[in-house]
Amino acid sequence: AQSVTQPDIHITVSEGASLELRCNYSYGATPYLFWYVQSPGQGLQLLLKYFSGDTLVQGIKGFEAEFKRSQSSFNLRKPSVHWSDAAEYFCAVGLAGNNRKLIWGLGTSLAVNP
Amino acid sequence: DAGVTQSPTHLIKTRGQQVTLRCSPKSGHDTVSWYQQALGQGPQFIFQYYEEEERQRGNFPDRFSGHQFPNYSSELNVNALLLGDSALYLCASGSKGTDYEQYFGPGTRLTVT
Repeated sequence: AQSVTQPDIHITVSEGASLELRCNYSYGATPYLFWYVQSPGQGLQLLLKYFSGDTLVQGIKGFEAEFKRSQSSFNLRKPSVHWSDAAEYFCAVGLAGNNRKLIWGLGTSLAVNP
Repeated sequence: DAGVTQSPTHLIKTRGQQVTLRCSPKSGHDTVSWYQQALGQGPQFIFQYYEEEERQRGNFPDRFSGHQFPNYSSELNVNALLLGDSALYLCASGSKGTDYEQYFGPGTRLTVT
């Protein structure tokens, strides 16, 4: 069965430090890949997506992610974290040929120390 | 341009009751998907509506039903509520040509007591 794994339940970084959030998926083909952010009391906001082409994708708020087919990974990165980045981050997979739903990871909670 | 809106924001119901949640999609969007997000979990796909029909459904019982209106707004109905139905219910809208790009509303927090 298809699945998405976010190995880190909670991460704490210092403001200004770099960040990498991990995402691995299990699927027989190349899926469509997404990162969403959810702040307390708010809905999910799309940070970036990968459909095809360049495996390094740029998103909003200074985030980027790299698709690595050999590792079935789509890790999210940011070179310098801001306090406002504290939130819950979700990786999601859209299945080719089944473009009507997303499969989600359990999320990674990011805390930022001043 | 209004984004996706949902009502109500919060709701408290008793076991066995029925509830209706509402969603208005982002302007220009014609598909609506519903997700259930339990505390500490990722969203779980319930179903998606397009052209007033349910296009796909996740692993949810028939107690969960929905509707899409001609103006593309949507309702999620849950009958015979269980304690386990307590969750944040998220609505996401998109357009047929870009199904994957979904915009989410703030959600409705349902508490079943």
